[in-house]
Amino acid sequence: DIHMTQSPSTLSASVGDTVTITCRASQDISFWLAWYQQKPGTAPKLLIYRASNLEDGVPSRFSGSGSGTEFTLTISSLQPDDFAIYYCQQCSTYPLTFGGGTKVEIK
Amino acid sequence: QAQLQEWGAGLLKPSETLSLTCAVSGGSFADYSWTWIRQSPGKGLEWIGEINPTGTTKYNPSLKSRLIISADMSKRQFSLSLSSVTASDTALYYCARNEPGPRFLIWGQGILVTVSS
Repeated sequence: DIHMTQSPSTLSASVGDTVTITCRASQDISFWLAWYQQKPGTAPKLLIYRASNLEDGVPSRFSGSGSGTEFTLTISSLQPDDFAIYYCQQCSTYPLTFGGGTKVEIK
Repeated sequence: QAQLQEWGAGLLKPSETLSLTCAVSGGSFADYSWTWIRQSPGKGLEWIGEINPTGTTKYNPSLKSRLIISADMSKRQFSLSLSSVTASDTALYYCARNEPGPRFLIWGQGILVTVSS
């Protein structure tokens, strides 16, 4: 299985900050990576697919980059609605696998 | 826009079989693959398996020996059966629709399944 490692596990930030979350794959997954946001009591919400493509309706302050084994999710000008847990998911090889999550909390 | 709704037994005893169904309303059923994902505090998000329009399945090897995913196109439903459950199968179970990638844009609300004696 491809192991996905996210860092940090928790990130404290303030409204207006720019934050970056890293996701590393245990082997080359090209650009086959998606990012999700999850809030308490709700299913994950797809933000980005194929590493850098913004899903329709997702604010442009979210951006993704990377390829191969290292990927980043950047949130520019953090908004109150952005405090949540973020997960990466590799879409390259079955079984599909997710990272352990990064909690973005209010500083 | 498609909507997904899971249902099934929420409390099981060890060794019983977990059975869940996901009903799909809106959108096409036959044009997509359909997936089960679970989430537990200990293991995070775990992909369980999927079924495609031809009925071909892919399973997580860690669950394969206990798992069956099936679909009923006429009812616009797909189902999950996981046998011989243990406490480690306690989780929130989601159904989801595969978009090309595969990635998961549309999810059910999730159903909590607890395994306890």
